[in-house]
Amino acid sequence: SQTIHQWPATLVQPVGSPLSLECTVEGTSNPNLYWYRQAAGRGLQLLFYSVGIGQISSEVPQNLSASRPQDRQFILSSKKLLLSDSGFYLCAWSYITEAFFGQGTRLTVV
Amino acid sequence: GNSVTQMEGPVTLSEEAFLTINCTYTATGYPSLFWYVQYPGEGLQLLLKATKADDKGSNKGFEATYRKETTSFHLEKGSVQVSDSAVYFCALRDQSRSMRFGAGTRLTVKP
Repeated sequence: SQTIHQWPATLVQPVGSPLSLECTVEGTSNPNLYWYRQAAGRGLQLLFYSVGIGQISSEVPQNLSASRPQDRQFILSSKKLLLSDSGFYLCAWSYITEAFFGQGTRLTVV
Repeated sequence: GNSVTQMEGPVTLSEEAFLTINCTYTATGYPSLFWYVQYPGEGLQLLLKATKADDKGSNKGFEATYRKETTSFHLEKGSVQVSDSAVYFCALRDQSRSMRFGAGTRLTVKP
């Protein structure tokens, strides 16, 4: 069966520090991969999605970037965090139709 | 671009009341449509889905019908329970394989 791992679960980072969130999927090949952000009391904002290694589509230009160095690995990064980057970040994968989500990372930028 | 609009919350109902959460979409082509649920302190789970027009998705007493003529996918349940309290998200997946979500509707069911 397929599983998705996302870490860390919580993270507190100072403004201006770098960020790296990692997501890996097991049990499937060539999945579609997604990064979402859920701000407090708000919906899910699609940040990036990838349909293959090295293929990244950016939905909203901002202080973040994504990379897919391996088929089942998706990384969300920032060189310098802003206060507005605080939120709940969710990784997801899909193959044919529905998406399956990781447990999320709660990021607080202080 | 493709997008999903769902009714603003929060929604508060008494146990056994009828629930409707409206969802409409804008998309080219023939997207697949989904409802996800997020229980307090948990991640998102798929509740139901429909992949073509006139399909009805159903699960745990919830239903939604893919209406292409009205570009809608409204979520309904005939009798809600306290355990249904959660945030509900409508979503679509288009031909580009991106998945877009609505803003979410928080449902609180009181005993």
